[in-house]
Amino acid sequence: AQSVTQLDSQVPVFEEAPVELRCNYSSSVSVYLFWYVQYPNQGLQLLLKYLSGSTLVESINGFEAEFNKSQTSFHLRKPSVHISDTAEYFCAVSVDTGFQKLVFGTGTRLLVSP
Amino acid sequence: GAGVSQSPSNKVTEKGKDVELRCDPISGHTALYWYRQRLGQGLEFLIYFQGNSAPDKSGLPSDRFSAERTGESVSTLTIQRTQQEDSAVYLCASSTSGARTEAFFGQGTRLTVV
Repeated sequence: AQSVTQLDSQVPVFEEAPVELRCNYSSSVSVYLFWYVQYPNQGLQLLLKYLSGSTLVESINGFEAEFNKSQTSFHLRKPSVHISDTAEYFCAVSVDTGFQKLVFGTGTRLLVSP
Repeated sequence: GAGVSQSPSNKVTEKGKDVELRCDPISGHTALYWYRQRLGQGLEFLIYFQGNSAPDKSGLPSDRFSAERTGESVSTLTIQRTQQEDSAVYLCASSTSGARTEAFFGQGTRLTVV
């Protein structure tokens, strides 16, 4: 069965600084990878996803994530964060065999301060 | 409706009472998930329905928890003899079939056991 590890429960950062939120996964088969975001008092929504093709995927608000198969990672990065990026970020993985269940990490809280 | 609908949005119940939470998935979505999110914590998987297959109940924390779904329609999560540690936001998500697809989340039901 697949699993996801988000080692950082909280990442504090100053506005306009770069940030990286780490995600590692474990799976014996090929995976699909997702980042979801939960803004304060809102529901979860998809931020970006890797299905196939280019290993670098981008979101509309400046985040990007790179699929690294050898390191089994899918870290989320942004070169310059805004106060509005303060949120909880969840990494998730699914596979095309068996039950195809989406498995989430425990989440990383990004705190952006002025 | 256009999205995943959960009801009630808030529920306060006395310890020992039973509660029933409802999820209306997006029409046509064969997969349905229930997650629990305790205050300040990550997503805890509870149960997963995929079409007419037997559900994956591996995340249910005790036999006080049960869930049902008829076909590809509404799902109900029932918690019997509620305890204070059951207090959390219960999230429902649905998606179309397949591991490559995005899961859409409802706004959740905030359960408070007093």
